[in-house]
Amino acid sequence: GNSVTQMEGPVTLSEEAFLTINCTYTATGYPSLFWYVQYPGEGLQLLLKATKADDKGSNKGFEATYRKETTSFHLEKGSVQVSDSAVYFCALSDRGSNDYKLSFGAGTTVTVRA
Amino acid sequence: EAQVTQNPRYLITVTGKKLTVTCSQNMNHEYMSWYRQDPGLGLRQIYYSMNVEVTDKGDVPEGYKVSRKEKRNFPLILESPSPNQTSLYFCASSLSPSSVYNEQFFGPGTRLTVL
Repeated sequence: GNSVTQMEGPVTLSEEAFLTINCTYTATGYPSLFWYVQYPGEGLQLLLKATKADDKGSNKGFEATYRKETTSFHLEKGSVQVSDSAVYFCALSDRGSNDYKLSFGAGTTVTVRA
Repeated sequence: EAQVTQNPRYLITVTGKKLTVTCSQNMNHEYMSWYRQDPGLGLRQIYYSMNVEVTDKGDVPEGYKVSRKEKRNFPLILESPSPNQTSLYFCASSLSPSSVYNEQFFGPGTRLTVL
């Protein structure tokens, strides 16, 4: 089956620090990979995505590259801000499985201090 | 504004008292889904619907029911809630079932506590 393993948190950083959140996956078909972000008290929002190997998704200064050889999709940001404090979820959807759903990692809570 | 809405946002109830959490989207999306979020487990799919009158079980359907009588609405029904259903619930929608592979739009969540 499909699964996502995500770096456990919580992660606490100072403003302007470099952020990496590791994500690896297992999929039986042709997965699309996503990072969703959940700001305090809100629902999930799509942060970025990649639909095939070697694609790079980017948004709001965040980047992640779909690495098929290492089955990874690590999230990075070069200089975080207090406003980046949130819970980050790595997720995949697998066209080959025909289950029409997202499989999520456990989530990583990130706190950025001023 | 394009959005997914859920009601109520917060609910405290007692074991065995039937409840319904409503979900509505104004984007004319075919696909809708319910997830629950629990610490350390991420989000897990409860039920999904690919169109009106078409529903199917997700990974954790036990203790839940859904219906899809209209395209915009997808209520989640707990006929006899139990404490292990205390969780944060999210409704989501996509333009079509295949659009799930591109993006889902999530509601703001409903925090349910069953005493």
